[in-house]
Amino acid sequence: DSGVTQTPKHLITATGQRVTLRCSPRSGDLSVYWYQQSLDQGLQFLIQYYNGEERAKGNILERFSAQQFPDLHSELNLSSLELGDSALYFCASSVGVKGDGYTFGSGTRLTVV
Amino acid sequence: TQLLEQSPQFLSIQEGENLTVYCNSSSVFSSLQWYRQEPGEGPVLLVTVVTGGEVKKLKRLTFQFGDARKDSSLHITAAQPGDTGLYLCAGVSGSNYQLIWGAGTKLIIKP
Repeated sequence: DSGVTQTPKHLITATGQRVTLRCSPRSGDLSVYWYQQSLDQGLQFLIQYYNGEERAKGNILERFSAQQFPDLHSELNLSSLELGDSALYFCASSVGVKGDGYTFGSGTRLTVV
Repeated sequence: TQLLEQSPQFLSIQEGENLTVYCNSSSVFSSLQWYRQEPGEGPVLLVTVVTGGEVKKLKRLTFQFGDARKDSSLHITAAQPGDTGLYLCAGVSGSNYQLIWGAGTKLIIKP
């Protein structure tokens, strides 16, 4: 157990639908990162939050949004889902923002049918 | 745009053999991290190298950061089936401390 909790582990939904992925960071970590990983591909950075504020944005689609709550958990909202959104979505956390090592959750596997 | 090129993309070798994975960039990184990812799981941090020329060892794994802090290598001695996985390097970039990720090396060690 890495200390980063992601729910749900698996999600199957239809095109056009909206889903919410949830992440609880490791205790003491203030930064949360969201990544997308498609089959046999590397990690694509989506967005970073630090202590409730958006800190950096990567290749996040306009159909996707995220937030970090006062208790530091984070949610990634994916809407108007397309087949191509099927992927593993990982959350990671770190203590600060200076590129210290990330602790990853075990991911949410999203399948859009 | 900063890139971190990882090679090889795929490697399948027999147990007991040695191997090296490379991460190369034209950009300087303040530090570089190596992760291993097993199927269906998130990446796990193996090591962070910070100083140019630094060498770190983790049992049979040896990590080296290039003198100019633009490249890194991971050498595995006497590979074992338990080493199978996706190895990812990530460089910490500039003043915004964002991680630049390599595309990964998929390693299979056959018994």
